[in-house]
Amino acid sequence: DSGVTQTPKHLITATGQRVTLRCSPRSGDLSVYWYQQSLDQGLQFLIQYYNGEERAKGNILERFSAQQFPDLHSELNLSSLELGDSALYFCASSFGTSLNTGELFFGEGSRLTVL
Amino acid sequence: KNQVEQSPQSLIILEGKNCTLQCNYTVSPFSNLRWYKQDTGRGPVSLTIMTFSENTKSNGRYTATLDADTKQSSLHITASQLSDSASYICVVSHLGGATNKLIFGTGTLLAVQP
Repeated sequence: DSGVTQTPKHLITATGQRVTLRCSPRSGDLSVYWYQQSLDQGLQFLIQYYNGEERAKGNILERFSAQQFPDLHSELNLSSLELGDSALYFCASSFGTSLNTGELFFGEGSRLTVL
Repeated sequence: KNQVEQSPQSLIILEGKNCTLQCNYTVSPFSNLRWYKQDTGRGPVSLTIMTFSENTKSNGRYTATLDADTKQSSLHITASQLSDSASYICVVSHLGGATNKLIFGTGTLLAVQP
């Protein structure tokens, strides 16, 4: 158990809909990262938050947004869903803001299926 | 372009045998290289982290090597077990800016058969 909690584990929805994925980082970790893993693809970095502030942005679509709350949990909002958004969405956390030598801990993921 | 390539794409071995997975990267500047194990449908779990000055690092039956000159890394698994069946992902940290960016390989899918 990594200590990173993600909900829901599975989600099935229709095209055009909006969903929210939730992540609670490991106790004491200040950074939260969101990744997307499509079938047979490597993990793609979406966005990072550190202590409530956006820190780095990756290949995140404009239809997607995220935030980190004062209690450090984070939410990833996906809207106007398309079939191609079906993927595993992982949250990860680390203590610091840089991953120079810092360990990164992943949650178990949220599997999104768009029909 | 900063890339991480892994080989082979998939591998089948018999329980008890050893195997070596390869990772080549073109990431520059480079901060560190990580190997993760990802069971099907689960989150990745860290096996090793190596900085550019480290040549080898072990974690139980897993031994990672790094040649920063040739930009190659390998993960050697000794005396494989059925539970080693998973995807093994090489991740390179791109040094730059306020935060390092992790670049993920697509993984090697290992199947250990009895």
